[in-house]
Order: sequence, then structure tokens, then C-alpha cells
Amino acid sequence: EAQVTQNPRYLITVTGKKLTVTCSQNMNHEYMSWYRQDPGLGLRQIYYSMNVEVTDKGDVPEGYKVSRKEKRNFPLILESPSPNQTSLYFCASSLSPERTMNPETQYFGPGTRLLVL
Amino acid sequence: EDQVTQSPEALRLQEGESSSLNCSYTVSGLRGLFWYRQDPGKGPEFLFTLYSAGEEKEKERLKATLTKKESFLHITAPKPEDSATYLCAVQGNGGSNYKLTFGKGTLLTVNP
Repeated sequence: EAQVTQNPRYLITVTGKKLTVTCSQNMNHEYMSWYRQDPGLGLRQIYYSMNVEVTDKGDVPEGYKVSRKEKRNFPLILESPSPNQTSLYFCASSLSPERTMNPETQYFGPGTRLLVL
Repeated sequence: EDQVTQSPEALRLQEGESSSLNCSYTVSGLRGLFWYRQDPGKGPEFLFTLYSAGEEKEKERLKATLTKKESFLHITAPKPEDSATYLCAVQGNGGSNYKLTFGKGTLLTVNP
């Protein structure tokens, strides 16, 4: 089954304790992206990756890092989490947006709910 | 900067009572407009992509339409299982990140 998976699905941590949220897709997609969803703010892009070893900042990158060493994986790293990073996080993937003039559909993972105390 | 406004914020319908959800947008060159459905505790589920004004797409009880300034999601004879938050997003040509700019969603509740 074609899918985007995220782990863990739920996480409670404390301020300053480094954590990694994993994202993996089995659709051979080039483009991957991380979003956070907050009440009243909608979904906002954190980081994106056009392909292996190619990553860049989205709209709200502060406090986050990413890496793209393999095509299928795109982990999100919080080196020193703070309470304002409490949120619902989604990973998404699509075929390369540069393939055609038409946009490629972004498929979303099930989400990771993070609480930072 | 791309912007998306969805209305109403919440909509309560009786089973079988048709209605429409609105998505108004401003974007520097529309690459595509997307509709997603999101159930509580789950990720957005893709419904439709619209590329150009005048385009329409249908899937079961849902029909999406697009003009140069807005999109509508028409729900015909809804059932309780259509209850969800419906998200509208645009992808513009203005940047290199191909991000989706989302609206805040419309929470639809269909009562039996």
C-alpha cells in the first residue's frame, strides 16, 4: 500500500531534550515536506526537500532541522524542544514538482502529536 | 504572499441537506488548488486538484469548482460519514518551495 508513515504518533517530552520524528514514504517520491498544524493557524510548512541531499527552509523553520540522506526518509529533528513547539506535525510527499507544469499531489502522513513540557 | 480564506468556519447540516463550502484565495500565479478532507486525529486526505478557472471535478457526493478568485466544494445529499474538516490549499508559482498554503478549514457536521 502506498503510504507515508510517521513515528512516533504521540510524544510527550521536556524542554531541551533532543528528539527526532521519522518520516518514510514508499512511493519513490522526490519531494518531501514537513508541516505543523496549530489551532487557528492552519498548516504551515517547516522544511522541504526537493531530493536527496537537497533541503531548504519553509515558513516556520526556527528550532527545527532536517536531513535527507535517503530518498524514502525525511526525519525532523528538534535539538532543544521548547513549549511553543507543542503541535501536530505532518510529513508529506509528492513526485517532483519540477517534472511538469501541473502541480503534483502531496500525500500526507497520519501525524505526530507532540507535547513539550 | 499567498492567502487562503475558507468559509464558513463550521457548518452543521441534516442528512440529505445539500450545501457549499467556500475557499477564497490570492496567489501570485496559481499552479493548483487542492481540496483535502481531514478526520480527527488523522492526516489530510487528498480529494481534488483544480488547475484553471472553469474546471470542475466530482467524486461521489462532492463536486469542486474553480474561478479566478475562489473555489467551491458542493456537497449533495450529504451523509453522516461526510462529517470532517475540509481543507483548501493553493500552490503558487511565486516561490521555489512548492509549498501548499492552507486555509483554516471548514468543520462539517452532518446529522442523521
